[in-house]
Amino acid sequence: GIQVEQSPPDLILQEGANSTLRCNFSDSVNNLQWFHQNPWGQLINLFYIPSGTKQNGRLSATTVATERYSLLYISSSQTTDSGVYFCAGFNTDKLIFGTGTRLQVFP
Amino acid sequence: EAGVTQFPSHSVIEKGQTVTLRCDPISGHDNLYWYRRVMGKEIKFLLHFVKESKQDESGMPNNRFLAERTGGTYSTLKVQPAELEDSGVYFCASSLNTNSPLHFGNGTRLTVT
Repeated sequence: GIQVEQSPPDLILQEGANSTLRCNFSDSVNNLQWFHQNPWGQLINLFYIPSGTKQNGRLSATTVATERYSLLYISSSQTTDSGVYFCAGFNTDKLIFGTGTRLQVFP
Repeated sequence: EAGVTQFPSHSVIEKGQTVTLRCDPISGHDNLYWYRRVMGKEIKFLLHFVKESKQDESGMPNNRFLAERTGGTYSTLKVQPAELEDSGVYFCASSLNTNSPLHFGNGTRLTVT
């Protein structure tokens, strides 16, 4: 099966800072999603982005399918952005998750 | 529309006991998935239903885990007997078809003591 690697594994920011999270795939994926697991354990769907760029408020994502990577941009980070960010690619019939990036935003 | 709902939200049981987790997918979603995250590690695929049929159960860790989706609506995941290493968060997700995004429930946090 495919391997999904995320970087960095951990990220510590001060409120207001910007950040970029990266997701690399070992093989082609049909679809790609970004999730935020908040401190309460809930998995929040951020983007469904097989290719191209999408924006939602302070967050945006870009997927370059031909080069097998995706980026998640967080601008003007807030303490509520803390948690673990996962990317996941759809391979054959299931979603394969990356290793996650743990983000901590301090005031 | 209502999202994916999971019950219970938390469960604490002793080693050797049985626990049944329930998932109600979004109405009309034929695809239903179970995933789990143990010990803060990666989120791992367990199995995939298409309607009432098991499409892929390659992620089920062992025969102590049994998933059902009778009638193709809600699904249950039973762990019997539970072991300490089964502790973690169990997520359910559903999608309209295999080209659609997956929608996840809030998860069930299982603690085996």
